[in-house]
Amino acid sequence: GNSVTQMEGPVTLSEEAFLTINCTYTATGYPSLFWYVQYPGEGLQLLLKATKADDKGSNKGFEATYRKETTSFHLEKGSVQVSDSAVYFCALSLSNSNSGYALNFGKGTSLLVTP
Amino acid sequence: DTGVSQDPRHKITKRGQNVTFRCDPISEHNRLYWYRQTLGQGPEFLTYFQNEAQLEKSRLLSDRFSAERPKGSFSTLEIQRTEQGDSAMYLCASSLTGSKGGGYTFGSGTRLTVV
Repeated sequence: GNSVTQMEGPVTLSEEAFLTINCTYTATGYPSLFWYVQYPGEGLQLLLKATKADDKGSNKGFEATYRKETTSFHLEKGSVQVSDSAVYFCALSLSNSNSGYALNFGKGTSLLVTP
Repeated sequence: DTGVSQDPRHKITKRGQNVTFRCDPISEHNRLYWYRQTLGQGPEFLTYFQNEAQLEKSRLLSDRFSAERPKGSFSTLEIQRTEQGDSAMYLCASSLTGSKGGGYTFGSGTRLTVV
């Protein structure tokens, strides 16, 4: 089946530290890959995406590269801020005539950035 | 348009009672999804509508669950004879046809607590 595995949290970093959140996937076919972010009390928001191998998604200083050979989509940011504190979800979707592009999510990784 | 709205934000109910949640998607979005998120887990797909047609239901959606989207606009999710295991956050999302997951807009969710 299709699934996403991401590193367990919580992750605690000091402001300006380098962030990596690992994500690997299993899929039958060629998925699109996503990172969603959930800030406290808010709904899920798309952070970035990549739709084919070797694509790099980027937004707000975050980056992730679709690596087909390692089935990975690790999230990175060079210098985190306190405002980046949130839960980050890695997800995939596959074209499916029945479920549209329903998303398969990982369990989420909580990030806390301290001043 | 203020995005995807869900009502209520919170619902506490006694075991065995029926509950109904409402989702108002972005008006021009023809796809609507329901997801369930339990504590410490990522959202799990429940069901999907294209306009008013319910095209897929996850095996997670037992026969106590029913969803409708009359006229292809708002949607309701009803849970009959609630059980404690139904306690979760119920998320609604909408998108346009062809959006490969990245075009989703999520609502803030309805948190259900069954006591």
